[in-house]
Amino acid sequence: GEDVEQSLFLSVREGDSSVINCTYTDSSSTYLYWYKQEPGAGLQLLTYIFSNMDMKQDQRLTVLLNKKDKHLSLRIADTQTGDSAIYFCAESIGKLIFGQGTTLQVKP
Amino acid sequence: SAVISQKPSRDICQRGTSLTIQCQVDSQVTMMFWYRQQPGQSLTLIATANQGSEATYESGFVIDKFPISRPNLTFSTLTVSNMSPEDSSIYLCSAGQGGTNEKLFFGSGTQLSVL
Repeated sequence: GEDVEQSLFLSVREGDSSVINCTYTDSSSTYLYWYKQEPGAGLQLLTYIFSNMDMKQDQRLTVLLNKKDKHLSLRIADTQTGDSAIYFCAESIGKLIFGQGTTLQVKP
Repeated sequence: SAVISQKPSRDICQRGTSLTIQCQVDSQVTMMFWYRQQPGQSLTLIATANQGSEATYESGFVIDKFPISRPNLTFSTLTVSNMSPEDSSIYLCSAGQGGTNEKLFFGSGTQLSVL
């Protein structure tokens, strides 16, 4: 089946690391994605990982993929107030299936 | 990365009317996608629009309600027909890098409110 789940809310202090988690159900996913949505804006593709990789690092962002457990995470190092947004994970199975989004609140 | 322009950015419409949303991509793409994001919800795929063929609709969405045009490789429109308050949502256009359905880039969306 097609189902992507995320926790709905995460609050961190500026300078701390944030970890946003996601689980998915379809093992045939080719790519897995993280998108960022700021208030009143569309979705910005943050990063993605191919399904045969287990880690990808891109500046402050680290994506970890545990294919056995169908678990994806996004770690944001040194979280800033500008990182406050909704983060969506998505799996690609011929079309993109999105999670419900995690609202990240960064407190100064 | 593709740049996707969408208009209008927002509109307030009366029940029973129709609204056409335009989406322009700055490069030629084979596939374009229309999504709906209801208030506080995730994104749901409405349909896939390929140039030169009829759009492919997802379960729960029909052509009479959401007619789509795809006249060329850089442009598409989505019409929300006979609107009701339940159609109040953000509608987003997207296209894939290299014309695929991977690594989708999104327009900034159309915020639609139906009174």
